[in-house]
Amino acid sequence: DMKVTQMPRYLIKRMGENVLLECGQDMSHETMYWYRQDPGLGLQLIYISYDVDSNSEGDIPKGYRVSRKKREHFSLILDSAKTNQTSVYFCASRGQESSYEQYFGPGTRLTVL
Amino acid sequence: QQKVQQSPESLIVPEGGMASLNCTFSDRNSQYFWWYRQHSGEGPKALMSIFSNGDKKEGRFTAHLNKASLYVSLHIKDSQPSDSALYFCAVSIGNYAQGLTFGLGTRVSVFP
Repeated sequence: DMKVTQMPRYLIKRMGENVLLECGQDMSHETMYWYRQDPGLGLQLIYISYDVDSNSEGDIPKGYRVSRKKREHFSLILDSAKTNQTSVYFCASRGQESSYEQYFGPGTRLTVL
Repeated sequence: QQKVQQSPESLIVPEGGMASLNCTFSDRNSQYFWWYRQHSGEGPKALMSIFSNGDKKEGRFTAHLNKASLYVSLHIKDSQPSDSALYFCAVSIGNYAQGLTFGLGTRVSVFP
């Protein structure tokens, strides 16, 4: 069964602290994504990764950076977190088939105090 | 840039009733259309896809696509409380770099 995992599931940080959100997939998918979801704003795309060390900004990259050193693993990093980065973060991967289906993880709920 | 709009924002449906969700998109080159469903506390999951004009039925769910009208819809027949969720329309023009563009979602609540 195709699976995307995210760790941790819940995280509370103080403003100014660094945050590391981790995502894994066991499907050898090349393309992976990070989104954030806020009420009324839908899924906002933060970053796309097309493969190892091949990353591209999405629609709202400011305040975030990513790292992908292995195909199955994609990290989202917040350097000096801000209160407006409180959100639910989803990682997704896309299959090799041409239908563009994306598989989402269960999400990480981040609270920045 | 592709714009995907969904209506209504929320929908209340009696158990056993029909739920109808609408989605319009802006790019006439769009080729791939997905409906995703997200239950509370979970990540979105693909519900069904439609790539050709017309209707596609999967169990109680029927998707309809009219590319010329830039319109796709989802109908849920015999709605169940377990269908209560946030439903996203997602569209792709087939551009490898961009992937899917998501609408803001329609929240469906099915009451017994």
